[in-house]
Amino acid sequence: EAGVTQSPTHLIKTRGQQATLRCSPISGHTSVYWYQQALGLGLQFLLWYDEGEERNRGNFPPRFSGRQFPNYSSELNVNALELEDSALYLCASTNPTSGRDYNEQFFGPGTRLTVL
Amino acid sequence: KQEVTQIPAALSVPEGENLVLNCSFTDSAIYNLQWFRQDPGKGLTSLLLIQSSQREQTSGRLNASLDKSSGRSTLYIAASQPGDSATYLCAVRYSGGGADGLTFGKGTHLIIQP
Repeated sequence: EAGVTQSPTHLIKTRGQQATLRCSPISGHTSVYWYQQALGLGLQFLLWYDEGEERNRGNFPPRFSGRQFPNYSSELNVNALELEDSALYLCASTNPTSGRDYNEQFFGPGTRLTVL
Repeated sequence: KQEVTQIPAALSVPEGENLVLNCSFTDSAIYNLQWFRQDPGKGLTSLLLIQSSQREQTSGRLNASLDKSSGRSTLYIAASQPGDSATYLCAVRYSGGGADGLTFGKGTHLIIQP
C-alpha cells in the first residue's frame, strides 16, 4: 500500500513569490493535515482538511491557505513568501471514520521550501 | 496553553542499553498520544499510538506508556541498536478546544554508539 506522497521534494523561491505544495494521502484516507517544521521552532500544525473542507487551522496568517480536491489530495499555498517561511512542510493523512481516539496520522516525506 | 515537553533533548548511549524517553503534556483532555521517529531531513515514521483510554502499547522492542492524570508518557526502547539513532517526537491530540492537529514536543535526539 502506497504511503503519503508529497511534491516537490525541494522548492526554492524568492521573497514575495508564491509557493504551491502538493500532497496525496493514503488510499482510503479522507483527512489531510499540514504541518510546518522550521529550524528551532519544532513541528507546528498549519491546516486540516476533511471531505473537501477546511476544518481548522493553527496559528498562521491567512497567506497560508490550501484546498482539498475530490480525490482527497491537497494543495498548500503560501503567498507573499517571507524568509522565515523556509522550512520542511509535512503532510499527514488519517481515516477519520476510525474515531478521534484512534486517528493515527501517517506522514509524507515533506517538501523542503527555501526562501531566498 | 496546551504544550508538549520532551526530556532529555539529546541522549547518547552505547549499543545494547535499555533506555527511556520522557514526554509531558499540560492538559489531560486528550484523544490520543503518538510517538514518532524522524531521520535527518526526512518525514515522520509513526511508532506507537496510545488512545486516551489505554495505559500502554507495545511494538517489538518499543513500549510506550500513558498516564493522563500526571500528564506523562514514556517510550521505552529495549536493547538499543545503532539503527535506532534518530530524533524521537512525542505528539498529543488535545480534545479540549485545541486546533485539532497534533501538538508536538521538540524531540529527543538519540545517538546509539556502536
